[in-house]
Amino acid sequence: GAVVSQHPSRVICKSGTSVKIECRSLDFQATTMFWYRQFPKQSLMLMATSNEGSKATYEQGVEKDKFLINHASLTLSTLTVTSAHPEDSSFYICSAPVDTEAFFGQGTRLTVV
Amino acid sequence: SQQGEEDPQALSIQEGENATMNCSYKTSINNLQWYRQNSGRGLVHLILIRSNEREKHSGRLRVTLDTSKKSSSLLITASRAADTASYFCATRFSGNTPLVFGKGTRLSVIA
Repeated sequence: GAVVSQHPSRVICKSGTSVKIECRSLDFQATTMFWYRQFPKQSLMLMATSNEGSKATYEQGVEKDKFLINHASLTLSTLTVTSAHPEDSSFYICSAPVDTEAFFGQGTRLTVV
Repeated sequence: SQQGEEDPQALSIQEGENATMNCSYKTSINNLQWYRQNSGRGLVHLILIRSNEREKHSGRLRVTLDTSKKSSSLLITASRAADTASYFCATRFSGNTPLVFGKGTRLSVIA
């Protein structure tokens, strides 16, 4: 099946700094990438949808200026958590739809200290 | 927003027993999928059932779908300790729309 490579898998950063998470589609072109966030012992919540060559669409309650999404090419989508705070600590995971299926990255565990 | 509601939220069984998890959803769907997630890790796709299917099997997994009741069940037969994980159902409205996840069931299989 299609492969989505997500990096980094784990990152610890200081409050106030920014962190970039990358998702690459390795053997297919992803015109759309979904970004999810998961807090401990909770489910995955959709944050935003990125589309290659256009602005991302954000779910209600997700700050677009804080979670910057760029989908500059058909194989790369990035999520940048700007001015990170401890409450941003979470598991972030990307997903690309292919036909009826969805292929997920491995996820990024972000810890803000 | 979340679509699916799984029950139970947590399930603890002995190795060898069967585990049944249920999922209900609210809107019409194109397909429903089940995923497994080991603690702190990514998602593993288990099985997809389309809206025009009623039952599907894959190894020790059996999934049913009742679109009239907007519900699905996942049965894991002859469970193993390695099946310990969280299980999520996820629905998709149509081709390029995002998956909407249920709250999940935390399954513990005790050896």
